[in-house]
Parts: sequence; structure tokens; C-alpha cells
Amino acid sequence: QQNVQQSPESLIVPEGARTSLNCTFSDSASQYFWWYRQHSGKAPKALMSIFSNGEKEEGRFTIHLNKASLHFSLHIRDSQPSDSALYLCAVGNMGYKLTFGTGTSLLVDP
Amino acid sequence: DMKVTQMPRYLIKRMGENVLLECGQDMSHETMYWYRQDPGLGLQLIYISYDVDSNSEGDIPKGYRVSRKKREHFSLILDSAKTNQTSVYFCASSLLQGEQYFGPGTRLTVL
Repeated sequence: QQNVQQSPESLIVPEGARTSLNCTFSDSASQYFWWYRQHSGKAPKALMSIFSNGEKEEGRFTIHLNKASLHFSLHIRDSQPSDSALYLCAVGNMGYKLTFGTGTSLLVDP
Repeated sequence: DMKVTQMPRYLIKRMGENVLLECGQDMSHETMYWYRQDPGLGLQLIYISYDVDSNSEGDIPKGYRVSRKKREHFSLILDSAKTNQTSVYFCASSLLQGEQYFGPGTRLTVL
């Protein structure tokens, strides 16, 4: 059974800071790696995904994936108050099931 | 506009009553999901549906059943609800292994 862990549990950063969120997984056969963002009282919404080792950048957001170390991360450049949310990582392999982590709660202090 | 809807948004039931949560999507996605979200536990998969009448248990199916008779509609049923089923329930849909689109959630309280 896939085990997905996130760190830290919560984080407070000043506006404009670079933020790093971490996710580890247990199944080395995992193929799909997602970050979802959930604002308070709202539905989770996909932020970014990566399917092969390396780095992917979209605007202020960058994903790093290292399958050998069973780790991927999300980096936010120039953090904004609107980035304050619960960030959920998710991992999938064959089939359509995703296993979600328990989340990192991010607060960006203006 | 791609959309997943859920009804009702809020529901209060007494222990032992039956509960029906409904989900719809307008994207013709084959795959649909039911999750529950509890503080500190993240999103836990209850059931996954690959198409009409093609459903599989997720990680926590006990106490729940599902029904999918039309591709755009997926129901979650709690027969004789229990207090530990108080939670926020999310429905989602996806195209193959693509992005999962989530509904707004149903906050269920079982007294």
C-alpha cells in the first residue's frame, strides 16, 4: 500500500519569500506526481504535475522529482498572500487511483 | 465550462438514518471518485468508478456503497449512518490518469 508523507505540516512565510514543500512516497513503481491546492472551504484544484525525473516550471511554481530517492517537491517563488492554502501532494501508478498526502498548510504573511 | 456538482452541500442526519450524496459532471469523464476529508488525514479514497456499473473499492469502503447508472452521475450511499462518518465528502472526475476535477464538497454531520 502506497504511503505518502508531506513535510512540513504547516509553514508561515513572509510575502515575497521562496517556499519549499516536500513529499515522499513508498512505491518505487509510482508514475504520476501531482500537487493540488485547496483554499479554505473550497475544493482541491490541481496545480501542477510531473511524470518523469527532473524539474518542471510554470510561472512562480516549480516541481522537482527524484524517483530514486522517492521524493518530490514544490517550490513557490515570490510567495503571495493568495498562495495561503492547504497543499496536497498525490502519487499514482498503474490505474487511475491517486494516493494523497495529509497536506501542508501554508500561510503567507503580508 | 468544466464542472463537477454535488448535492446537497450540507446535511445533518441522525445515527442509523440512510444518506444519499449525489455527484454530477459535464465533461463526459469515464472515471469518477468519492473521497472523504478529515482534519489531519488528507483525502481518503472511498470508491472509484471506471464507467457505468464498473465500480471498485478504494482504501476505506466499509460502511459505504456507490451507484453509477449514467456516465455523468455517481452516487454515494451510507446505509445506517454512523457518527464516525461525519466528514466532508468530495466527488471528483478525471479523463484517464489526467487531472482530477473536484466538486465543492458535502459537509455531512451524523448526530
